[in-house]
Amino acid sequence: AQSVTQLGSHVSVSEGALVLLRCNYSSSVPPYLFWYVQYPNQGLQLLLKYTSAATLVKGINGFEAEFKKSETSFHLTKPSAHMSDAAEYFCAVSRMDSSYKLIFGSGTRLLVRP
Amino acid sequence: EAQVTQNPRYLITVTGKKLTVTCSQNMNHEYMSWYRQDPGLGLRQIYYSMNVEVTDKGDVPEGYKVSRKEKRNFPLILESPSPNQTSLYFCASSLNLGRAWSGYTFGSGTRLTVV
Repeated sequence: AQSVTQLGSHVSVSEGALVLLRCNYSSSVPPYLFWYVQYPNQGLQLLLKYTSAATLVKGINGFEAEFKKSETSFHLTKPSAHMSDAAEYFCAVSRMDSSYKLIFGSGTRLLVRP
Repeated sequence: EAQVTQNPRYLITVTGKKLTVTCSQNMNHEYMSWYRQDPGLGLRQIYYSMNVEVTDKGDVPEGYKVSRKEKRNFPLILESPSPNQTSLYFCASSLNLGRAWSGYTFGSGTRLTVV
């Protein structure tokens, strides 16, 4: 069975500070891993994805994530937070078996202080 | 513009009154799915469809029905809504690309309140 754990339901950073959102996954087979962002009153937008190519994945809006198999982690980072980054972020895992099912973590709300 | 369109965006209804939430995509995607989002639980899959006339249950299908008569449409039906179905619902779609799969395109959501 697959599962995703996001540590911290809320993360608060100052504008310009490093953003680190944590995601650990459990999967008995090689996973696909995703980060989605949800702005208020909107749907989910894909930030970046890992699908077994490079372990360091760059996404939109300056975000990146590193797949670490030994730690079963896929943490999301951004060097310098911007006010517009305030949103809810979801990590998700899927099997590499064409099932197309995404299993989501519970989400982390990022707050950016001026 | 390529998109997934859900209607309505907001709906308040009473217990037991049948309702349908529509979902339509204009990207010729084979795969479509419904999720519900609840605080602290993330998104959970309700039903999915691999193609026309092919549907299957997700993780939380109780109280819901779906149909896929056309490729572009995937309505979610609540035959007898109950208050525990108050939630934010998302429709999503994707191409079936095998190992090249790159995730879903999501609709903007439908916030349903059942009183």
